[in-house]
Amino acid sequence: DGGITQSPKYLFRKEGQNVTLSCEQNLNHDAMYWYRQDPGQGLRLIYYSQIVNDFQKGDIAEGYSVSREKKESFPLTVTSAQKNPTAFYLCASSMKKNGNYGYTFGSGTRLTVV
Amino acid sequence: GENVEQHPSTLSVQEGDSAVIKCTYSDSASNYFPWYKQELGKRPQLIIDIRSNVGEKKDQRIAVTLNKTAKHFSLHITETQPEDSAVYFCAASQSGTASKLTFGTGTRLQVTL
Repeated sequence: DGGITQSPKYLFRKEGQNVTLSCEQNLNHDAMYWYRQDPGQGLRLIYYSQIVNDFQKGDIAEGYSVSREKKESFPLTVTSAQKNPTAFYLCASSMKKNGNYGYTFGSGTRLTVV
Repeated sequence: GENVEQHPSTLSVQEGDSAVIKCTYSDSASNYFPWYKQELGKRPQLIIDIRSNVGEKKDQRIAVTLNKTAKHFSLHITETQPEDSAVYFCAASQSGTASKLTFGTGTRLQVTL
């Protein structure tokens, strides 16, 4: 489905729990990104990775962690330190080719704290 | 860092009319400006993009204009149709070492019959 798969589609977390969101791509893209989408705030960058075993904080990294052990995978962990985790999370990937940087997005994971 | 502002937040037009969404950016080093369309419950999809070496780009009913001096760019949709109803996001990024996009806050476009 578009070459980038996010799972699960819906996720419920109890207070104090860590949860991990999966993102896998088979597009052979070098770069991967995690964005958070809240109503009226657009998409805000959490973390991004341009190469395996390397990643950088985005604008709202506090309370989140990532890993990039494989080119195809970029999981996001929402830790208990994230005070307001309820949101729609989007993973994206891109490959710099001929100067183009277009993103391919996954279908998203909706996380709800219960 | 880059800051992208987008207006209006909501836009309602009648079918067949034109719609214009405007964005401004803060970092003069930004040189890539894509637009994404997100239908309800779906992922954002790239609809058109423009690079800083051109001032305008068209693709059928969609066009984007860029004013580097003023640091603003706009999306123009002509002959709007009900299927154009969605949330539209503008974004900006620099080429080079970091290709991360900074997004605007989105415009909800409603095309009425």
